[in-house]
Amino acid sequence: EAGVVQSPRYKIIEKKQPVAFWCNPISGHNTLYWYLQNLGQGPELLIRYENEEAVDDSQLPKDRFSAERLKGVDSTLKIQPAELGDSAVYLCASSFLAGGQVGELFFGEGSRLTVL
Amino acid sequence: EDQVTQSPEALRLQEGESSSLNCSYTVSGLRGLFWYRQDPGKGPEFLFTLYSAGEEKEKERLKATLTKKESFLHITAPKPEDSATYLCAVRSSWGKLQFGAGTQVVVTP
Repeated sequence: EAGVVQSPRYKIIEKKQPVAFWCNPISGHNTLYWYLQNLGQGPELLIRYENEEAVDDSQLPKDRFSAERLKGVDSTLKIQPAELGDSAVYLCASSFLAGGQVGELFFGEGSRLTVL
Repeated sequence: EDQVTQSPEALRLQEGESSSLNCSYTVSGLRGLFWYRQDPGKGPEFLFTLYSAGEEKEKERLKATLTKKESFLHITAPKPEDSATYLCAVRSSWGKLQFGAGTQVVVTP
């Protein structure tokens, strides 16, 4: 079974440039998450989708970050414009929600962003 | 506000030297405590889910336990391949998953 696929794995951009990350979750998983992870820290939730609906985006900096999940499958996370402090690893995860209970999260390998 | 605190921040072990990692938590309505392993440059890999105090789970040299305030991850007779960062996370009744900062474990031959 294929795992969560993310691209690109690495991205280096200059500040004020835009950047986008793509995620393909595990087939059949209806819940998708974007996390941000700084060095030496645990992942921090940016946004959670249940099917096409963003059910928790309270930690997403909406002035520069946006996300979408087309047809309840793939998702894209965009930053525009990027700032130096956005340098981090962006992790995508998916899980299966049934009867209100969410199973364990399966993570992709992450997209490492460096903003110069 | 939900909080997860892991200790120690780093742990260096000799091969075969057993030890324990701690995860202390405060959460409104625990709906599960999760342990993940993360290797450098990789995403976290799921290890265990614990749901209620007294519950225990085992996998190879790892054993996770849960009380009402904390969880322990016991590593018995570790090998160098057990070197990784171990992350603890709790899910609240709101559905949000809150991670700790992790414990970096290095096992030397």
